[in-house]
Amino acid sequence: DTGVSQNPRHKITKRGQNVTFRCDPISEHNRLYWYRQTLGQGPEFLTYFQNEAQLEKSRLLSDRFSAERPKGSFSTLEIQRTEQGDSAMYLCASSLSVAGLPNEQFFGPGTRLTVL
Amino acid sequence: KNEVEQSPQNLTAQEGEFITINCSYSVGISALHWLQQHPGGGIVSLFMLSSGKKKHGRLIATINIQEKHSSLHITASHPRDSAVYICAVRSDFGNEKLTFGTGTRLTIIP
Repeated sequence: DTGVSQNPRHKITKRGQNVTFRCDPISEHNRLYWYRQTLGQGPEFLTYFQNEAQLEKSRLLSDRFSAERPKGSFSTLEIQRTEQGDSAMYLCASSLSVAGLPNEQFFGPGTRLTVL
Repeated sequence: KNEVEQSPQNLTAQEGEFITINCSYSVGISALHWLQQHPGGGIVSLFMLSSGKKKHGRLIATINIQEKHSSLHITASHPRDSAVYICAVRSDFGNEKLTFGTGTRLTIIP
């Protein structure tokens, strides 16, 4: 399967615990995006990378959230001291950016986080 | 007011009907995306368009840049088309942020 993959698919954790999600983009894609989707809402942008550089972060990404893409391939999203409000679907997408033109984003299946 | 508004929020139709889902946006954009989301969360990109019209199988997407409006049409609808359809726009300020609508839940009854 050469699509975007995310692990784990589901995560249940207790409030206050740390969690880490992983996204593996399509191999030749240089851009990687993280979104969050709460029930009944459309996704909301969190952050994106071009290769290993994190180029934009949403104000939604509080200090408890950190994302990395150390080698410009897979990315991790860590949430520290989880809160019940962090419960959501976390979506990853990747794209191939060419000369700054708009490009199609390919989405992974998401990681559903439930904070008890 | 959200930057991206979709209508209707929910749509139920009989198999075979012609379906139209609308998207209006209030910002300047460089591209508009139509996405399909099935139960369980997976999102599939249907179209990315900056002008005019695109067609893929039974799906047609149109955009009117002057009116800041896009429509997604489904011809000869089928129960397997049942899903949430989401409109998302990329601003024209050179960044990569996509702003999403809240989606339209489509149910096609056999």
